[in-house]
Amino acid sequence: AQTVTQSQPEMSVQEAETVTLSCTYDTSESDYYLFWYKQPPSRQMILVIRQEAYKQQNATENRFSVNFQKAAKSFSLKISDSQLGDAAMYFCAYKRGAQKLVFGQGTRLTINP
Amino acid sequence: DAGITQSPRHKVTETGTPVTLRCHQTENHRYMYWYRQDPGHGLRLIHYSYGVKDTDKGEVSDGYSVSRSKTEDFLLTLESATSSQTSVYFCAISAGSEATHGYTFGSGTRLTVV
Repeated sequence: AQTVTQSQPEMSVQEAETVTLSCTYDTSESDYYLFWYKQPPSRQMILVIRQEAYKQQNATENRFSVNFQKAAKSFSLKISDSQLGDAAMYFCAYKRGAQKLVFGQGTRLTINP
Repeated sequence: DAGITQSPRHKVTETGTPVTLRCHQTENHRYMYWYRQDPGHGLRLIHYSYGVKDTDKGEVSDGYSVSRSKTEDFLLTLESATSSQTSVYFCAISAGSEATHGYTFGSGTRLTVV
């Protein structure tokens, strides 16, 4: 079974600075999708960004970007110009084909004003 | 997300009592999922459904059952609640099994078993 590992239970960053959240995954497949979800205190799960494994170009959504290293099976999330509203739990997730979405353990991000 | 609602939002129940959580969607999506969220474990799949009356187990299905009698509703039942089932439960939906854009999630139900 595929596994997704987030090795940083907690991270903190100063407002306006940049922070990188780490994620690694285990798979023998070449075609799959990776996701980062944000969970603010409201508990809502919000899709932040997705990456298609067959695309070499790293996905970017405004201040959020990923560093996708396929050979290393690494999928980190970079948040630039951190804002107070970025404080949340962040979950990395993997999906291939008809298999179900598999999540990492989560990283709690704190933004210091 | 307005297309998927969970009820109740919070519930406290006693050990040994049956509990049913409801997920309702207005998107007419075929696939529905129940996950539980626990610290240090992320979200883990309990059960899922791929159509009316079609359901299957996920990785943490022991102690849970599900039913789907209509496309829009997916019920999760704890037959006899235990303290280990204290968790936040999320329902999710997707139009197809491939779901290359991920799932859409409800707002979750916080269940406390005392």
